[in-house]
Amino acid sequence: NAGVTQTPKFRVLKTGQSMTLLCAQDMNHEYMYWYRQDPGMGLRLIHYSVGEGTTAKGEVPDGYNVSRLKKQNFLLGLESAAPSQTSVYFCASSYEIGGITDTQYFGPGTRLTVL
Amino acid sequence: GNSVTQMEGPVTLSEEAFLTINCTYTATGYPSLFWYVQYPGEGLQLLLKATKADDKGSNKGFEATYRKETTSFHLEKGSVQVSDSAVYFCALSERAGGTSYGKLTFGQGTILTVHP
Repeated sequence: NAGVTQTPKFRVLKTGQSMTLLCAQDMNHEYMYWYRQDPGMGLRLIHYSVGEGTTAKGEVPDGYNVSRLKKQNFLLGLESAAPSQTSVYFCASSYEIGGITDTQYFGPGTRLTVL
Repeated sequence: GNSVTQMEGPVTLSEEAFLTINCTYTATGYPSLFWYVQYPGEGLQLLLKATKADDKGSNKGFEATYRKETTSFHLEKGSVQVSDSAVYFCALSERAGGTSYGKLTFGQGTILTVHP
């Protein structure tokens, strides 16, 4: 049971390049989330998904797109990277019991630098 | 909207000292409250949680009590160790239903350094 995994762990991009971050979970969780972590700002939600084939915007969605074609995978795309997207990106997943979506399980993160 | 405010760090303590990290929140309804810990170079791990007023979450010697009257969830540990050095995040989650979908709202994090 690997939990939540993220690929890649590190990446350096030039401004304008595109890339996709992959998140995979093997816990059969319905909910998946993408966050970015910046110094002094905690974690901010980019996009989330409440099930296969669904996506929704979070707090800071601009410049990102997501897809959830399979229940276990949640992809985060940057179509044209900007230096402001330099950050550490975390994926998380969770499940619902009795109307409560409780603990989120986090991946190890992807450190992205945009030059 | 929801918000979480943590005491500003960094916090530097000697081993075996008492730790308090303050956390207050603003939320509608009845949120669940969490403390997550992030060790250097790693993702976030759940440290403890409480889902209703007056609940006490505890784990690894850490404790926090859900205080609805003061909208607080302060983290405490009686005797810290060097291995507790990490970043601690307070967070809240609305219960699923409507448009919340269990999204977490985080505080800004508090860096804790414990010296031998």
